[in-house]
Amino acid sequence: GAGVSQSPSNKVTEKGKDVELRCDPISGHTALYWYRQSLGQGLEFLIYFQGNSAPDKSGLPSDRFSAERTGGSVSTLTIQRTQQEDSAVYLCASSLPPSGANVLTFGAGSRLTVL
Amino acid sequence: LAKTTQPISMDSYEGQEVNITCSHNNIATNDYITWYQQFPSQGPRFIIQGYKTKVTNEVASLFIPADRKSSTLSLPRVSLSDTAVYYCLVTSGTYKYIFGTGTRLKVLA
Repeated sequence: GAGVSQSPSNKVTEKGKDVELRCDPISGHTALYWYRQSLGQGLEFLIYFQGNSAPDKSGLPSDRFSAERTGGSVSTLTIQRTQQEDSAVYLCASSLPPSGANVLTFGAGSRLTVL
Repeated sequence: LAKTTQPISMDSYEGQEVNITCSHNNIATNDYITWYQQFPSQGPRFIIQGYKTKVTNEVASLFIPADRKSSTLSLPRVSLSDTAVYYCLVTSGTYKYIFGTGTRLKVLA
C-alpha cells in the first residue's frame, strides 16, 4: 500500500481481555517494527522483524505480549490478559533493510485503553 | 548506539526561525543523523537526514559541523502547524532506533 496501515485505530477493552493489533506495512518493505508510546513519553521499542530472519523480541515487556508476521507482510501484535498499564498507543513502522540512511515510515497507531 | 541529547521543550512565535540542537558526542563514522516530527495522535514522520555539512529540503535545513558531534534542525518561519515533537536520531546499520522524549515545540500566535 501507499502507507503503513494500522487497525483498529482505537480499542477500549476490559482488564484481563486479549487484544490483537494489526499492521499492514508498505509493500516491498522487508523490515517491520513495533513501538509503544505512553502518554507524553517517547517511543519504546517492542519487536523487530526483518525478512525471514528470527524476530528480535527483546523489547517485549512481558510474556503477555507476542507478535507474528505472516508471509513477510502483515503483522499482528497480541496482548493477552491486558492490564491497565498496557494502555498506550502502539505504533508500527516499516522500512527497507536497515542501513545508516534508513528511514522509517510509521502508521497512525492503535490507541489502546484498558479499563 | 550513539546517545542523543536535545532540549525537552521550546516555545516560538509564528514567523520566527526555530533552531533545535541535538548533541551526539559518540556518533560513529557510518552513522547518519535523522530527524522526525510527530503531531498529536499521529506516528512520527521523517523530515530530514544528513551525514555532514548542510542539507536542505522543502521543510527544514540540517546543519552538521565538521566533528559531527552535534546537529541543528532549522525550521524557517514557523507557523502554528509546526507545533509538534521533534526527535533527533543517530542511525546506523542497526535497527534499534532510539526515540527519546524529543523536543516539544510550541508555536504561539
